[in-house]
Amino acid sequence: QQQVKQSPQSLIVQKGGISIINCAYENTAFDYFPWYQQFPGKGPALLIAIRPDVSEKKEGRFTISFNKSAKQFSLHIMDSQPGDSATYFCAASPTASKLTFGTGTRLQVTL
Amino acid sequence: EPEVTQTPSHQVTQMGQEVILRCVPISNHLYFYWYRQILGQKVEFLVSFYNNEISEKSEIFDDQFSVERPDGSNFTLKIRSTKLEDSAMYFCASGKRREQGVLAFFGQGTRLTVV
Repeated sequence: QQQVKQSPQSLIVQKGGISIINCAYENTAFDYFPWYQQFPGKGPALLIAIRPDVSEKKEGRFTISFNKSAKQFSLHIMDSQPGDSATYFCAASPTASKLTFGTGTRLQVTL
Repeated sequence: EPEVTQTPSHQVTQMGQEVILRCVPISNHLYFYWYRQILGQKVEFLVSFYNNEISEKSEIFDDQFSVERPDGSNFTLKIRSTKLEDSAMYFCASGKRREQGVLAFFGQGTRLTVV
């Protein structure tokens, strides 16, 4: 019940395309859903986060879509750029508690 | 921009030795965490620390692990008797309560190699 399932494991997108990464959870106590971006040899960097009282949040080219009834949320990267090539982790937590991370998606944006 | 800093960046130790990983969280953050990431795998929670005490710990965080905030600014993770399977990247994170929740910011990590 603590797991966060993430897909796909890897993704190749052409420059300018839309990258979509999906996550699903079971624990209804989760009420905070951040996405992290990680470059090789670096720590995870907070990208964008959402609470379940909204269905969508947009920051620049990054959008989180949230479906509370389905217990699913996704990250959309619009106009994907080669610099977006990284590993993306979804995560979830109850308020002020530990983050449970998904298994990660390795994104490669090709020219 | 303030950031979480961790030292050392890489630590090689012999099996059975004690290691101390150090972290300087972002000032005015009140929530502190240690996570680890075995190569190529997901990030796993170890322990959280709030109000000068452990607030939550995972099953990984057994008696060989301990955390301290010795001087009100640094935050340390001690592994008393390292095992080969402790080899991983160890990330410190600190967080502050926001409307969305506790936004956790991660350091660059310490790569621990146990030989």
